[in-house]
Order: sequence, then C-alpha cells, then structure tokens
Amino acid sequence: ETGVTQSPTHLIKTRGQQVTLRCSSQSGHNTVSWYQQALGQGPQFIFQYYREEENGRGNFPPRFSGLQFPNYSSELNVNALELDDSALYLCASSLTSGPQETQYFGPGTRLLVL
Amino acid sequence: AQSVAQPEDQVNVAEGNPLTVKCTYSVSGNPYLFWYVQYPNRGLQFLLKYITGDNLVKGSYGFEAEFNKSQTSFHLKKPSALVSDSALYFCAVRDTSGGYQKVTFGTGTKLQVIP
Repeated sequence: ETGVTQSPTHLIKTRGQQVTLRCSSQSGHNTVSWYQQALGQGPQFIFQYYREEENGRGNFPPRFSGLQFPNYSSELNVNALELDDSALYLCASSLTSGPQETQYFGPGTRLLVL
Repeated sequence: AQSVAQPEDQVNVAEGNPLTVKCTYSVSGNPYLFWYVQYPNRGLQFLLKYITGDNLVKGSYGFEAEFNKSQTSFHLKKPSALVSDSALYFCAVRDTSGGYQKVTFGTGTKLQVIP
C-alpha cells in the first residue's frame, strides 16, 4: 500500500490514562504529520515533525505531544485522556515538509477512551 | 484561515454513469488542493492534487478534478463509475503561504455506486 505503518491497530484506555501511538514512515521521508479523525468527520491536523523538530501545530492542547526519531519513525503521546479523544489517529509521511508534497497515510490507530 | 466545504454528505450514482463529488475552498493565498479516498477501516489514499498549471488534473483509478479559481471549486469527477469506487471521499486544501503542511480536510462525501 503506502509503505506507512502504524501500531497498534486498536487500543482501549480509560479516562486520565496516557497513550503512545507509533508510526513508521515511508523510507526516505523526513516529514510526518499526525491527524485525529473523529467518527463521521474529516481528519484534523494535530502537528507536523520535520527532521525531529515540531514545525507546525493545529488547535490541540499541549497534552498532545510527539517525537520523531532519526530513522523517521515517530510517536504521538496523549496525556490525561478524555472521552472526546476517542478517534482514529492517522499519521502521514512525505518526502519533504513543503506544502506541495503528497502525504502518504498509514491505516490508523483506533483509540477508544472509556 | 483556510476551509473546505463538501456540500453533499452522500452521492448515489448508477454503475457506468458519470460521477461528480463537489468541493469548494477558501484560502488567503493560492491553494494547493487534494483529493483522498478512504475505504472502511483503512487510512486515506491519495487520488490527485492541484498545485499549478493545467486546471484539469488526472489522478489514480480514472479520477480527475477540475480547478476553477473564479468559483473556488475543485470537483472530483469520473466518466464511468464502478461499484468498487464506493467509498468516502475527502477534499483537502493547503494555503501556499504556510511554511508547513497544515492541511484542512472537508467533512467527506460518501459515494455509493449502485449496480
């Protein structure tokens, strides 16, 4: 498919807990973006990492944080989970950080917060 | 601020007929426009994009889209629909004045192709 993988595929947590989601980018891609897709909605931009630095962020609180590693894998961390955090979380990688670049999406991690 | 509107929650079309999925956008600068498709329990798959140049963009699986600057539209089209085209379609926009890839997606249009 796109060469972007995510783990785990599904996850159940309780309110107040912390969660880490993982993404492996397509080979050679130095940029990764994370999105939250609530049921019945379009994806919402969380943030973007370029060469291990965050270089753009959407309207999400600081309890959403991320890391990008030298091998271009990345993590999305969410602290103090809330019920509204239940969603499909998508990562997308691209060759560079430019706005004209095509993003290649992983299959997503479905998070349920109880 | 940039925004995207997909005015139809669902589009039904008979197999073999042409299909159109509508998208309008709003940006402060020049737009980069994208169409993605999402199948059940899957991530988004890239179909096509408009960056600059020819207003008619051809993409994957026989889809094409027409960029209309005066109407701020970027409708997705296909001459002959297949049952396998049934899926959720998202239009997305990026403002070229942004230095990073904040992408704004529409709410999606469910395409149902009827055999």
